[in-house]
Amino acid sequence: DTGVSQDPRHKITKRGQNVTFRCDPISEHNRLYWYRQTLGQGPEFLTYFQNEAQLEKSRLLSDRFSAERPKGSFSTLEIQRTEQGDSAMYLCASSRKEGYTFGSGTRLTVV
Amino acid sequence: KQEVTQIPAALSVPEGENLVLNCSFTDSAIYNLQWFRQDPGKGLTSLLLIQSSQREQTSGRLNASLDKSSGRSTLYIAASQPGDSATYLCAVISSDYKLSFGAGTTVTVRA
Repeated sequence: DTGVSQDPRHKITKRGQNVTFRCDPISEHNRLYWYRQTLGQGPEFLTYFQNEAQLEKSRLLSDRFSAERPKGSFSTLEIQRTEQGDSAMYLCASSRKEGYTFGSGTRLTVV
Repeated sequence: KQEVTQIPAALSVPEGENLVLNCSFTDSAIYNLQWFRQDPGKGLTSLLLIQSSQREQTSGRLNASLDKSSGRSTLYIAASQPGDSATYLCAVISSDYKLSFGAGTTVTVRA
């Protein structure tokens, strides 16, 4: 059990470019979550998966955002045509029964 | 929609003093509640998980209480140390296994 891994740790991109983040959950965890956190705020829910099924998407997740979890293992979060307002920390968490384990996050800066 | 509030937003204490961090939530029909610690620019580290049937949970110098009926949880940190300086986040877990976070309490322990 190496915890939840997120890659990359930091990403700087120009406005309008596409970015993709990866999350590797704890192997026996069937639920995987994506959250977004801006400075001084608590994390906000974006979406979550149970196994490979995406069960819910927040209204925060515009059409430019898409998430996948093929085969119920790792997950990717893609942001198309990035905007400056997308700059934030993107956090991934996984869970099996009770309690949630978070990764170190991906810090996105859109310039 | 679950609303989570943490008071105070920031706290500065001398080393050795006990810390009391408050969390309130609007919907008492919760599944569990989890306290996290976040260091600047980092991910979330789980501190304590309180199941809805429990009244409190303890780990070392940390003690968390839960009063579902009044929609409150309190995190106590005994004999604070400079290493306790961080942001503490309260997360309420609903029956659909989603977490709702407060904005956090930023703690500074002065040596």
